[in-house]
Amino acid sequence: KAGVTQTPRYLIKTRGQQVTLSCSPISGHRSVSWYQQTPGQGLQFLFEYFSETQRNKGNFPGRFSGRQFSNSRSEMNVSTLELGDSALYLCASSLAVGQINEKLFFGSGTQLSVL
Amino acid sequence: GESVGLHLPTLSVQEGDNSIINCAYSNSASDYFIWYKQESGKGPQFIIDIRSNMDKRQGQRVTVLLNKTVKHLSLQIAATQPGDSAVYFCAENRDLGNEKLTFGTGTRLTIIP
Repeated sequence: KAGVTQTPRYLIKTRGQQVTLSCSPISGHRSVSWYQQTPGQGLQFLFEYFSETQRNKGNFPGRFSGRQFSNSRSEMNVSTLELGDSALYLCASSLAVGQINEKLFFGSGTQLSVL
Repeated sequence: GESVGLHLPTLSVQEGDNSIINCAYSNSASDYFIWYKQESGKGPQFIIDIRSNMDKRQGQRVTVLLNKTVKHLSLQIAATQPGDSAVYFCAENRDLGNEKLTFGTGTRLTIIP
């Protein structure tokens, strides 16, 4: 079974631009979560989608948004990029939402550099 | 201004020795815990999990211990190998109403050949 796939692997953007990152979950997984990882803040939760609906949201500004498609694939978008948005963006999938034994399976991430 | 990065705890262990990585979790109501391993250039990889109704769980070369009294979690890796070099994160399901898992800051484990 293929793992979580994230594209692109690397991105370089300039301040003010916008960016879209893509994530394909493990087949059969319906929940997709996004995390931002930086040396300064560690792993920070962005949002979670299940059945095309955002179920949970972390403490990030509205410039960060996402969506999920009917095939469970997900995209996240960051508009008006700032230097501080440089980070590794990780997507994780799981079978269902809100269950106690909720293992997250991560992709390799998209490394975003904002210049 | 200059940003201050997280001070990542580090642990160096001789190849073949056992290692213990510790984690203090924050919420006494958390009832599920996971250890993840993250190698350079990769996403976190699931290692082992434990529910709060257990105090010990064993996997292949790894053991997780949970002490709910002091909110402490540890990961023991037996007979360490060079491939064990990575950053290890503990995670707790601190608040199912808001986020799925909350991650600790991580510990960098280096295996010395």
